[in-house]
Amino acid sequence: SQTIHQWPATLVQPVGSPLSLECTVEGTSNPNLYWYRQAAGRGLQLLFYSVGIGQISSEVPQNLSASRPQDRQFILSSKKLLLSDSGFYLCAWSVHWEGRTDTQYFGPGTRLTVL
Amino acid sequence: AQTVTQSQPEMSVQEAETVTLSCTYDTSESDYYLFWYKQPPSRQMILVIRQEAYKQQNATENRFSVNFQKAAKSFSLKISDSQLGDAAMYFCAYRRTGGFKTIFGAGTRLFVKA
Repeated sequence: SQTIHQWPATLVQPVGSPLSLECTVEGTSNPNLYWYRQAAGRGLQLLFYSVGIGQISSEVPQNLSASRPQDRQFILSSKKLLLSDSGFYLCAWSVHWEGRTDTQYFGPGTRLTVL
Repeated sequence: AQTVTQSQPEMSVQEAETVTLSCTYDTSESDYYLFWYKQPPSRQMILVIRQEAYKQQNATENRFSVNFQKAAKSFSLKISDSQLGDAAMYFCAYRRTGGFKTIFGAGTRLFVKA
């Protein structure tokens, strides 16, 4: 069965510091990968998605970037964190075949607080 | 642009009773998916149920069922025999077939009273 891991689970960082959040998927190959952010009491906002190694699409221009160095690894980064980057970050995966994208399954999330 | 609207910020139900959560969406597409996700206090998003727009039959998963009205662009979730473990945020979501972006509603917080 497929599993998705995220770490760290919780992170407190000062403004201006760098960020690296990691997501890995097991039990599937060539998944689509996604990064979402959830502000307190709000729904999810898609930040980035990737359909393959080195292929990143950005949905919202901002202080963050994403990379996919391996098939099942997805990294969310920032060079200098802002207060507005605080939130709950969720990684998700799905399969894509014959022009259809299947259900997205989510990881446990990372709670980021920028002080 | 596609949008998803959940008009009930909070709902409450008595244990063992039935509750219905509302969702409406707007799209010009004819082929798409609709989802209900549950987010418990742990905050992990858990898929509850999925509906494909080309299927007329309403999806069901044990105590969870949907009322999908394509013409009205309505997608409500019915939870039967509510349990304490059903207490959570519930998100309605939309994605067009072949697309990568899932659009989420603002969520409905469900309280279950013992």
